[in-house]
Amino acid sequence: QVQLVQSGAEVKKPGDSVIVSCKASGYTFTGYFIHWVRLAPGQGLEYMGWINPKGGTKYMQKFQGRLTMTRDTSSSTVHMELNWLTPDDTAAYFCAGEASPKAFHLWGQGTLVTVSS
Amino acid sequence: QSALTQPPSASGSPGQSVTISCTGTRSDVGGYNYVSWYQQHPGKAPKILIYDVNKRPSGVPGRFSGSKSGNTASLTVSGLQAEDEADYYCCSYAGSSNPYVFGTGTKVFVL
Repeated sequence: QVQLVQSGAEVKKPGDSVIVSCKASGYTFTGYFIHWVRLAPGQGLEYMGWINPKGGTKYMQKFQGRLTMTRDTSSSTVHMELNWLTPDDTAAYFCAGEASPKAFHLWGQGTLVTVSS
Repeated sequence: QSALTQPPSASGSPGQSVTISCTGTRSDVGGYNYVSWYQQHPGKAPKILIYDVNKRPSGVPGRFSGSKSGNTASLTVSGLQAEDEADYYCCSYAGSSNPYVFGTGTKVFVL
């Protein structure tokens, strides 16, 4: 079936980097933009940026300089790398597929990233 | 870019209706007909309920409906059921520079 499956939970120290992966299946990989959204404890959903599996990325200004999204078309997987982690980056990170314009119809299960010294 | 404003909580008894507002600016909610709504249960991924202001994806019950007036969008849940107790978020497209903004979220309680 159509789904996005994310990599497992991560525990990192301040200053580290983390890579979260999101593997697409059940549809043509290049058909949907993939977006990244996070949910920190006690906070609301926060939009991070998108990657076009055909090429191209857009990051929210808040993450410019420490966020990188890449794709591997051979494995239908996108990766989200966040550098220079701080405890404020502790959150569940979700990938989401844009199956119709400007809406997130398909979601990964989420990946918990914990940043603690 | 500031988050869209939602009430922190809303509540209703089973069978009643609740309406959640989502207030932005003419740069986001008021400027585009690209408002979507998501339901999120604790520990789960968000689920889309409404897109393009008032369209329902297949499989979403008809008791969920969306609308927009000016800079404010709304989600109405009619015929509340116990499983509707969850967090609800609106989201709006906001242009190519900072493309999306979410609402602050509303916790719905079914009394």
